[in-house]
Amino acid sequence: QKEVEQNSGPLSVPEGAIASLNCTYSDRGSQSFFWYRQYSGKSPELIMSIYSNGDKEDGRFTAQLNKASQYVSLLIRDSQPSDSATYLCAVNDYKLSFGAGTTVTVRA
Amino acid sequence: GAGVSQSPSNKVTEKGKDVELRCDPISGHTALYWYRQSLGQGLEFLIYFQGNSAPDKSGLPSDRFSAERTGGSVSTLTIQRTQQEDSAVYLCASSPGSGQGLYGYTFGSGTRLTVV
Repeated sequence: QKEVEQNSGPLSVPEGAIASLNCTYSDRGSQSFFWYRQYSGKSPELIMSIYSNGDKEDGRFTAQLNKASQYVSLLIRDSQPSDSATYLCAVNDYKLSFGAGTTVTVRA
Repeated sequence: GAGVSQSPSNKVTEKGKDVELRCDPISGHTALYWYRQSLGQGLEFLIYFQGNSAPDKSGLPSDRFSAERTGGSVSTLTIQRTQQEDSAVYLCASSPGSGQGLYGYTFGSGTRLTVV
């Protein structure tokens, strides 16, 4: 059983700050990594994918992958109240294995 | 269709009744997945389809749960003799393919099942 572990949170950050989310995974052979955002009462929405070691930036989001350490992270720069949600880390073989999620609250 | 469509959006059923949940994936997506999410919990994998076959049914909680997919498109998840612990949001997702998973999934809006 592939395991994906995330900081349980909740994570509270002031508006404009950087939110840092961490995720570790157990399967060293994993190749594809995703971050999903889930608003309360809604379904998960894909916000980032990363496949190679290093950083990948998309707007205010940066995903970081270190396969040697089996670690993937998500940075949210200039956090906005609309970023308040649960963020799910997912690792894909032929199916996605999800972490339990980290709830982020951005205080105005 | 433009997105993954699930129906019904909400279902309240009496304990012991059977229910059917439907998922219509994005047109052309060959892989289809069912997950469930209990209140405040993470996503629990149930079953995966590639085309009409189900290579991985390992997440189905009991033999009361079954699923099928026809025509490489619509999938139905059936829960027989529902129990209160079956209450959850059932999420369907689809993707263009599987293998080493180059693609993320697109989720439907889910079916909220309440067993009373």
